[in-house]
Amino acid sequence: DTGVSQDPRHKITKRGQNVTFRCDPISEHNRLYWYRQTLGQGPEFLTYFQNEAQLEKSRLLSDRFSAERPKGSFSTLEIQRTEQGDSAMYLCASSFDHTGFFDEQYFGPGTRLTVT
Amino acid sequence: AQSVTQLDSHVSVSEGTPVLLRCNYSSSYSPSLFWYVQHPNKGLQLLLKYTSAATLVKGINGFEAEFKKSETSFHLTKPSAHMSDAAEYFCVVIKSGGSYIPTFGRGTSLIVHP
Repeated sequence: DTGVSQDPRHKITKRGQNVTFRCDPISEHNRLYWYRQTLGQGPEFLTYFQNEAQLEKSRLLSDRFSAERPKGSFSTLEIQRTEQGDSAMYLCASSFDHTGFFDEQYFGPGTRLTVT
Repeated sequence: AQSVTQLDSHVSVSEGTPVLLRCNYSSSYSPSLFWYVQHPNKGLQLLLKYTSAATLVKGINGFEAEFKKSETSFHLTKPSAHMSDAAEYFCVVIKSGGSYIPTFGRGTSLIVHP
């Protein structure tokens, strides 16, 4: 399968712990996005990378959240000192965008985080 | 600033009848518009996209949408619903030029009755 993969698929953690999620995009895609989706809502943009450069961060992304994409391949999203409000589905998507044209995003299956 | 409003949180139809899922957008620039579908326990999948070419866009599984600039709308339609169309549908707007931050609507749940 050459789609977008995310690991783990589910994570249960206690409040105050740190968690890290991984996303492997489609290999030739240069853009990678992170979203958060809560029940009954559409995905909310968190951040995106063009190759290894993090170009935009949402105001939703507090200082406890950090994302990296070393070498422009896989990406990690870390949440420090988790809070119950962080419980959500975290989605990763990738796309190939050229000459400023926005193309479709391919989504991974998501990582469901539950903070107890 | 850009925003997208999906006018119905739920739409219920009978199998074989037409489907209409409504989406209005607000964007300062010429937008790119998309519809995505999310089946239970599956990832989001692109249905169709509008990127300033033809205003009537055809997508997968018989869906289509029409971009109406004067009405700032991008409604999704299908002539005849199938049971397999039952899912959550999201309208997405992206401002052309500058940043490429997608804004998703809250979603419309399509329920298809036999």
